[in-house]
Formats: sequence, C-alpha cells, structure tokens
Amino acid sequence: NAGVTQTPKFRVLKTGQSMTLLCAQDMNHEYMYWYRQDPGMGLRLIHYSVGEGTTAKGEVPDGYNVSRLKKQNFLLGLESAAPSQTSVYFCASSYGRINSPLHFGNGTRLTVT
Amino acid sequence: DQQVKQNSPSLSVQEGRISILNCDYTNSMFDYFLWYKKYPAEGPTFLISISSIKDKNEDGRFTVFLNKSAKHLSLHIVPSQPGDSAVYFCAANSGFSGGSYIPTFGRGTSLIVHP
Repeated sequence: NAGVTQTPKFRVLKTGQSMTLLCAQDMNHEYMYWYRQDPGMGLRLIHYSVGEGTTAKGEVPDGYNVSRLKKQNFLLGLESAAPSQTSVYFCASSYGRINSPLHFGNGTRLTVT
Repeated sequence: DQQVKQNSPSLSVQEGRISILNCDYTNSMFDYFLWYKKYPAEGPTFLISISSIKDKNEDGRFTVFLNKSAKHLSLHIVPSQPGDSAVYFCAANSGFSGGSYIPTFGRGTSLIVHP
C-alpha cells in the first residue's frame, strides 16, 4: 500500500519556467490537498479538492493552478515559476470527515533560481 | 492572522523527562484538534487527536489536553525518547460545528530530545 506518492522529489527551475507536480493516492480518499512548507511558516494550504472534478483555493493560491480529473490524482501546476515559490510542497489526502486525519506524501523540494 | 498558534518554535528536553508542546487557537468554531509529527525529509504523520467534547485523550506515551475556555491545547510526551525528536504541528477544524473539515495548521514546534 503506497499511500500518497509525490513526483518528482526534487526539481530546480529557472524563473519563468513551468512545471507540474503530481500527487497520487491509493486509499480512495475524497479530499486532496496541496500545502507548501517554508521555514517559520508552517504548512500553508495552496489548493484543495473535495472530490473528482472539483477544486478550491486555499490560503496561498496565487501563482498555482490545480486539476483533479481522476479521484486518485491531484496535480499542482506552476505556469511561470518565481523565486518566491521556492519551497517544499506536500500533497495530502483524507476521507474528508471530521475525525479523518490527513495522509501526507514525502514532499517535493522545489528551487526556483 | 494566525488562527492556530504554536508560540514556541523549539523545545529541548532530556531523555526520560516530560515534553509539553503548546497550541493556542482563536477561532471558537474549531471543535476538532489533531497533532502531527514530522521528521526531516518526510511528510507529516498523524499522531493523536481530540474532539471538543473531551478534555483529554491518551495514546501510550502521548496525551493531549484541551482547555476550551482558554482555547488552549497541549501535547504531553512521557517519557520523552530521542526518537521523538521531530517537528510537531497542531491543527484544528470545525467540522462538528457545520464548518469546514479543512484543517488549519500552526507553524510547528521543533522538539529535540537529548540522550
């Protein structure tokens, strides 16, 4: 049982380049999330999805887009990367119930130069 | 404005002693609270939770206490072990109140347990 898998694990981009981060879960979870973690800032929600075909903005959505075409996959896109998007990105999933914790992937470390 | 605050960025304790990690919240709609633990180069993992109808929940060496009137919760680890060294995140949601199941996270407390 793989849980939540994120690809790639590391990436270096130049300013203005684009990329897509892929998240896949095999737990049949309804909810999926993208967070970024920066030093001293904790986990900040970028976008989330409450089911296949749905997406919603989180706390820090600017500069990112997402898609959830299949229940098991949640993609995070950066159309024109900026140095401020240098961060560690975590995908998570859950059943979306009050007492269902989030299951996280191991993160993608992105550096934008 | 932070709705979930972990005011101590770091905590250092001796092996075998008690570790107490604190968390304060401002949103009175929050009614379910969770603690996550994160090791370097890994994603956070769920540790323990508590609902607002309880004031204590225990799981082995880990106990979470909730003081609703003070909007404060704490995680106690007894006895602390070097393997407990990690970043601990407090999170809250308001699902029971008809609010959101989307958790709000604090900024984390880095715990170091010295042998």
